[in-house]
Amino acid sequence: AQSVTQPDIHITVSEGASLELRCNYSYGATPYLFWYVQSPGQGLQLLLKYFSGDTLVQGIKGFEAEFKRSQSSFNLRKPSVHWSDAAEYFCAVGLMEYGNKLVFGAGTILRVKS
Amino acid sequence: GAGVSQSPSNKVTEKGKDVELRCDPISGHTALYWYRQSLGQGLEFLIYFQGNSAPDKSGLPSDRFSAERTGGSVSTLTIQRTQQEDSAVYLCASSPRRETGTQYFGPGTRLLVL
Repeated sequence: AQSVTQPDIHITVSEGASLELRCNYSYGATPYLFWYVQSPGQGLQLLLKYFSGDTLVQGIKGFEAEFKRSQSSFNLRKPSVHWSDAAEYFCAVGLMEYGNKLVFGAGTILRVKS
Repeated sequence: GAGVSQSPSNKVTEKGKDVELRCDPISGHTALYWYRQSLGQGLEFLIYFQGNSAPDKSGLPSDRFSAERTGGSVSTLTIQRTQQEDSAVYLCASSPRRETGTQYFGPGTRLLVL
């Protein structure tokens, strides 16, 4: 069955430090992959997506993610975190054969220390 | 342009009552999705509409849940005889083309069943 694993429930980083959020997926084909961010009381905002081609994708707010097929991973990175990045981050797989419905990971809550 | 809108933003109801949640997708988007976000289950797919095709209802948790989409636009999610475990945030998303898989989410409806 398709699944997405985000092994870190909480991560705390200092402002200005680099960030990497981990995501591993289980899926039988090359997936559509997404990272979404959710601030408290808000909906989900798309940060970036991977469909095919270049395995390093750039997103909004200075985020990037790298697709590694051999590791079934799609980790999210940012070189320098800002206090406004504090939020919950969700990795998701789009199931192409099922109308692209999304299977989400459990989320990682990012806290930023000043 | 306008994003996905959902109403009401918050709903408090008593156990056993019926509730209706509304979603207005982005104009021109052909696909519409409902998801549920709860503390115990995370983000779960509920139902998917694509054009005039029969909806994919595979994620609906029980027959108390139903949804319709009128005129290929507005959608209503109905929960009959609500239970306390239905308390959650119900998120709607729309997608411009089925092939892209990119979904744009609304702010959600927070449902509390007392």
